[in-house]
Amino acid sequence: DAGVIQSPRHEVTEMGQEVTLRCKPISGHNSLFWYRQTMMRGLELLIYFNNNVPIDDSGMPEDRFSAKMPNASFSTLKIQPSEPRDSAVYFCASSGTVRNTIYFGEGSWLTVV
Amino acid sequence: QKEVEQNSGPLSVPEGAIASLNCTYSDRVSQSFFWYRQYSGKSPELIMSIYSNGDKEDGRFTAQLNKASQYVSLLIRDSQPSDSATYLCAVGGLGAGSYQLTFGKGTKLSVIP
Repeated sequence: DAGVIQSPRHEVTEMGQEVTLRCKPISGHNSLFWYRQTMMRGLELLIYFNNNVPIDDSGMPEDRFSAKMPNASFSTLKIQPSEPRDSAVYFCASSGTVRNTIYFGEGSWLTVV
Repeated sequence: QKEVEQNSGPLSVPEGAIASLNCTYSDRVSQSFFWYRQYSGKSPELIMSIYSNGDKEDGRFTAQLNKASQYVSLLIRDSQPSDSATYLCAVGGLGAGSYQLTFGKGTKLSVIP
């Protein structure tokens, strides 16, 4: 079975540019999560969707970040404008009915210069 | 603020020894506990979940949970160089609305051949 699929795997962009990260969750999973991982802060939950509806976006750092889930098989995380401090690994993860078991994608490595 | 604390390490053990990884959490109502393994440059991979006090064994891995002490541990028997990775402890609730996992920053394990 295919796991969580993310793109792009690596992105280098200049400060001020728009960045769009994409995610396809595991088929049949109804929960989708966007996490950010840095050395300093570890893994942080940015936003959680359940049945395509954003439930908790309290982890989104500021208005420059936005996320959408137009259907059960696709989600985007957008940063506009990007800043060097946004450099991190962004993981998308999904969860089905097994108690809180979350499966991660391979991550999108973002560098903002 | 929910907190999950782990010793950052690095923890070095010789090949064949038992590696012991520890985690404490602050939220007394936590009900689900997970250990993820993350190789350098890769995404977190679930290796163990535990929900009840006591021990749970899966191959060379044993998870131990003590809710009264708010403590969860992972033992790796017969450690192999391939076990060298960062181990993340994650803690969450149970049931609907308890989706959010709080992750520790991880313990880096190095198994020396």
